[in-house]
Order: sequence, then structure tokens, then C-alpha cells
Amino acid sequence: AQSVTQLDSHVSVSEGTPVLLRCNYSSSYSPSLFWYVQHPNKGLQLLLKYTSAATLVKGINGFEAEFKKSETSFHLTKPSAHMSDAAEYFCVVGYMEYGNKLVFGAGTILRVKS
Amino acid sequence: NAGVTQTPKFQVLKTGQSMTLQCAQDMNHEYMSWYRQDPGMGLRLIHYSVGAGITDQGEVPNGYNVSRSTTEDFPLRLLSAAPSQTSVYFCASSPGWDSLYEQYFGPGTRLTVT
Repeated sequence: AQSVTQLDSHVSVSEGTPVLLRCNYSSSYSPSLFWYVQHPNKGLQLLLKYTSAATLVKGINGFEAEFKKSETSFHLTKPSAHMSDAAEYFCVVGYMEYGNKLVFGAGTILRVKS
Repeated sequence: NAGVTQTPKFQVLKTGQSMTLQCAQDMNHEYMSWYRQDPGMGLRLIHYSVGAGITDQGEVPNGYNVSRSTTEDFPLRLLSAAPSQTSVYFCASSPGWDSLYEQYFGPGTRLTVT
């Protein structure tokens, strides 16, 4: 069965320090991988996506993620956190053999301290 | 271009009542879907549609019905509301059914069943 595991439910960083949000997935095929962000009481916004092109994917707001097939991981990073990055982040896998179905991780809440 | 719109934003129902959550998109997207979001569980797919007249079940379809008579609209019906259906509901649309395509999310409907 398809699954996505976000290894941390909460991450706390200081403003200006690096961000690392970890994600592992299971798949028998090469999946599409996404990171979405949800600010409080808002809908979801796409940060970045991997669709079998370059393994290092750059997204909006300085975020990037690296696809590592051998580790089945797709960790999200940002060199320097900003207060406005405080939100919940979802790692999401799309499985082509099931149409455009997305499987969501449980989410990681990022807190940024001043 | 309004994107994906959902109504109502908030709703309180009594157990056993029925209601319809509305979703519309003005981007001529083929693919539409409904998710529910519960704390610590990410988003789970309820139903999806790959085009007008075509719908299918997702991960958690019980207690919900959908129809897709037009490309633009994809209403979600709760037949007999239960407290377990208290959740935040998101509608999403995508230009194609392939998971390579980004999904665009509506702002959500917060439903409470008492």
C-alpha cells in the first residue's frame, strides 16, 4: 500500500537558521512527489514538485527538496527560516497508476522563534 | 478567475441531518476531488472525478455521495451526518488526471456535527 511518513510532527527553529522537514514514502513505481504548505485557517499551497526530472527541486520562498530514490526520501530544506514560514507542511505522493490520487503525510508543524 | 471556490465556509449540523457542500472551479479542469482533513492525519481522499459524468471512490467514501454533471461543479453530499464527519473539507481540481499535474485547493469548509 502507498504510504507517506513525515518523521517529525513538530519542528522548531530560530529565525535565520536552516530548516529540515523529513519525508519518506513507499512506492513500487516512480511517484510524483510534492510539498504543500498550509498557513493557519488557509487552504493548501504548492511549494514544489518532483516529476522525474532533476532530483534537486527548487520551489517558492527559498524552499528546495531532494529526491533520493535509494533512500525513498524527499526532505524539504531552506537555508534560512523566516517568521512567515511558520505553518504546517505536508509531504504528498501522487501515484500515477491510480490516476491523480494524492496520498498525504500527517503533516509537520514548523514553528519559527524570533 | 476565481480558482476553486467552496461554500459554505462553516456549517453546524445535527446528527442525522443531510447537506451538500458546494465546490466549483472556473479553470476548465478535468479532475476534481474532495478531501477531509483531521488533526494528525493529513488529508484523506473521499471521492474524485476525472470528468463530467465520471466519479469514483477514494480512501474514505462511506457516508458521502458525489456527482459531476458539469465540468465546473463537484458537490459533496452528506446523507445522514454523524459526529465522525466533523472535519475540514477541501475540494481540489487539476488540469488532468495524471499525478504530474498540480492540484489547486479551495479554502475549505469547516463542518461540525453535534
